[in-house]
Amino acid sequence: DIVMTQSPDSLAVSLGERATINCKSSQSLFYSSNNKNCLAWYQQKAGQPPKLLIYWASTRESGVPDRFSGSGSETDFTLTISRLQAEDVAIYYCQQYYSTPQFGQGTKLEIK
Amino acid sequence: QVQLKESGPGLVKPSETLSLTCTVSGGSISSYFWSWIRQPAGKGLEWIGRIYISGTTNYNPSLKSRVTMSVDTSKNHFSLRLSSVTAADTAVYYCSREVGPPHGGFFENWGQGILVTVSS
Repeated sequence: DIVMTQSPDSLAVSLGERATINCKSSQSLFYSSNNKNCLAWYQQKAGQPPKLLIYWASTRESGVPDRFSGSGSETDFTLTISRLQAEDVAIYYCQQYYSTPQFGQGTKLEIK
Repeated sequence: QVQLKESGPGLVKPSETLSLTCTVSGGSISSYFWSWIRQPAGKGLEWIGRIYISGTTNYNPSLKSRVTMSVDTSKNHFSLRLSSVTAADTAVYYCSREVGPPHGGFFENWGQGILVTVSS
């Protein structure tokens, strides 16, 4: 099984500042059929279902603000929120879909 | 925009079978994979399994022996059955539309979730 590990577990960032969340996979997520990485990011606000933000490691879902960006390849990935807004307070999850879907443990993002 | 809604009992007795249905609106169920994902209170997300309209299923190995999924294209819904439940199966259960490569993908649309509590 592929194990997904996020860091940090929690993060406090000032409004307008950058937030960075890391996700590490126990094996490469590179999909040779399209030369992309099988990695997605989700945002989950309190009492709501998760919302897809990023897929194929760096493709932003329609309607997601451009302050959200994804990067990385093979085993190391990053979600960056460039200018934190109050509405971005949430738990963020990465998910691999190279094999049986597996989520990271989540990173709780708060305002400093 | 596709919308999904879970329905079913919110309380199930230990050792019994949990049964949930996900109704899809705003689009046809006749494409994509359709998945179930659960989340115990205060914890992370666990993929349970997926089904395609052909009836093809894939289940999480950790739950495979207890899970059955089915699809009814005439009603535009799909279902989950989880047998021999224990308190550890208490969670919010989400249904989702899965998109991506043939072997499995990411979850583009989600239902609001339904809390299922296992208790006598």
